Amino acid sequence: GDSVTQMEGPVTLSEEAFLTINCTYTATGYPSLFWYVQYPGEGLQLLLKATKADDKGSNKGFEATYRKETTSFHLEKGSVQVSDSAVYFCALSAYNNNDMRFGAGTRLTVKP
Amino acid sequence: NAGVTQTPKFQVLKTGQSMTLQCAQDMNHEYMSWYRQDPGMGLRLIHYSVGAGITDQGEVPNGYNVSRSTTEDFPLRLLSAAPSQTSVYFCASTRDRGRTGELFFGEGSRLTVL
Repeated sequence: GDSVTQMEGPVTLSEEAFLTINCTYTATGYPSLFWYVQYPGEGLQLLLKATKADDKGSNKGFEATYRKETTSFHLEKGSVQVSDSAVYFCALSAYNNNDMRFGAGTRLTVKP
Repeated sequence: NAGVTQTPKFQVLKTGQSMTLQCAQDMNHEYMSWYRQDPGMGLRLIHYSVGAGITDQGEVPNGYNVSRSTTEDFPLRLLSAAPSQTSVYFCASTRDRGRTGELFFGEGSRLTVL
């Protein structure tokens, strides 16, 4: 079945460091890909998404490119801030919300 | 601007007790769903609803019941709690249930079953 694998954390970085969180997927068809973020004490919220191959999603300085050839959707940010400390979830949806699959989540801590 | 509201935020139960997790949304979304979040496993779909009076099972429905009498509310019932149901539960909703739709989540309900 469809699945998402993302790098295990936790990840600890210093402020202004470069961030990469790896995400690969297995799916039939052509899924949409998402990154959701969960800040402490809050629910998940959509960070960015891409709905077809070669699309780049971007938001708040974060970017991810839908790579069909490598079945990947890695999350990147050039300069992280303390306020980026959160848990990041990669997810895919092949047909509709019922089949959305989430990765296990990667906890990021950014230190001043 | 409430969005998706879940209550309670924390709950401790003894094995065999029952309880209901409440979820309400004020965005007039037809689609609502319940997930559980367990360490190392991401979120897994328990039950979902595509509109009032319509519910269906997700990936891990055993031990849970749902109903949808109004567009706004989607309660999750645990009939006889078990330690395996210790988890964080999230309610979500969306207007667009296609593969590109964004889910809006509540803040979560942390349940411990002793």
